[in-house]
Amino acid sequence: DAKTTQPPSMDCAEGRAANLPCNHSTISGNEYVYWYRQIHSQGPQYIIHGLKNNETNEMASLIITEDRKSSTLILPHATLRDTAVYYCIVRGLTSGTYKYIFGTGTRLKVLA
Amino acid sequence: GAGVSQSPRYKVAKRGQDVALRCDPISGHVSLFWYQQALGQGPEFLTYFQNEAQLDKSGLPSDRFFAERPEGSVSTLKIQRTQQEDSAVYLCASSSRAGRSGTTYEQYFGPGTRLTVT
Repeated sequence: DAKTTQPPSMDCAEGRAANLPCNHSTISGNEYVYWYRQIHSQGPQYIIHGLKNNETNEMASLIITEDRKSSTLILPHATLRDTAVYYCIVRGLTSGTYKYIFGTGTRLKVLA
Repeated sequence: GAGVSQSPRYKVAKRGQDVALRCDPISGHVSLFWYQQALGQGPEFLTYFQNEAQLDKSGLPSDRFFAERPEGSVSTLKIQRTQQEDSAVYLCASSSRAGRSGTTYEQYFGPGTRLTVT
């Protein structure tokens, strides 16, 4: 039962901003939105997370809509090394555990 | 500092063999998770430990799958009588807070073990 919906793939020109959308219309009040990425043959890497406010760190920005039903991950200046599968995860208490429920993610290809 | 490590990185097993996959979490991390990732899919939760206690095993696909973390650090995922459908990457992740109360603590993933059952 996927909790998030993401486009399967996106392209972005190197040096431009990459905006990756995610729908999570059934999110509940105490659930956080997490973003991870997975580069080929590696484990998922944490990027950023948020609850209701927009967040920024050295890797990316996270914009969450006011109704919290969708969010956008922004990579401000994409490089070739940002080519990866990006997962949007809604993390809440499921069966007594704060586990991650991954969807199929967005495959981002950064083009030279 | 050292991240999460997993061994072996690659494992080929003949159908019916037993396998054991090891995870070394980040030192001091309380929580440990196992996930299974089929080709082209996102990871799927298998089981969760808080220290040595296995608090959630709802994702284990069958009774052929068994996980343990006897001293609250290293964990082993064992698969008995492997089947071709067990072929996948098995990911381990650790977190510094308990999964049942640590709502905001991110999980750190290892590189995974790619299991191929022939």
